[in-house]
Amino acid sequence: GESVGLHLPTLSVQEGDNSIINCAYSNSASDYFIWYKQESGKGPQFIIDIRSNMDKRQGQRVTVLLNKTVKHLSLQIAATQPGDSAVYFCAESTTYNFNKFYFGSGTKLNVKP
Amino acid sequence: GAVVSQHPSWVICKSGTSVKIECRSLDFQATTMFWYRQFPKQSLMLMATSNEGSKATYEQGVEKDKFLINHASLTLSTLTVTSAHPEDSSFYICSASTSGGTTDTQYFGPGTRLTVL
Repeated sequence: GESVGLHLPTLSVQEGDNSIINCAYSNSASDYFIWYKQESGKGPQFIIDIRSNMDKRQGQRVTVLLNKTVKHLSLQIAATQPGDSAVYFCAESTTYNFNKFYFGSGTKLNVKP
Repeated sequence: GAVVSQHPSWVICKSGTSVKIECRSLDFQATTMFWYRQFPKQSLMLMATSNEGSKATYEQGVEKDKFLINHASLTLSTLTVTSAHPEDSSFYICSASTSGGTTDTQYFGPGTRLTVL
């Protein structure tokens, strides 16, 4: 499958600060990306997605940025809360590949109170 | 929202036995289901894509005779780990999609922890 990796395996932030989690992907044909949050012992939870025809998408407290030139995307979490502590994965997919997702290695976010 | 369940949530079995894991979409019909495995502190690895009424498509390196997948209805897919060995111990996660041909969101189950003694 495609190679999707992350720059930082662990990120520690203070409660209330903004968090930025990065992800690099290798398949230039990927046209759909999703960020997932996974708490210990649970399945991934959808956070936000973005298609390749966009470079930015905002949700509630979260923003995803996509830079196709360097094959990089990031997840920004505003006013990070203790409940945001989890492992975050980016996943990539291509439209022709029938919704198959390939996941990056994950970043663990620790929010310090 | 769309809910996907898995059963059992955890299972311990002896080496050489077979284990069946169920994945159900509770409030929607899933034309496509996916099976992943996840080792501790690692990412999810896609094992296979399961389409209702047809044979599953396995990712490279995944033994189809080892991991039997059945998608008999639009709400149920099963993964059977045959002749399980300790190295099969892992967290198995399924996901379901309402459309197999577009980039719709996948809804994930809570996972099944398999421990093979």
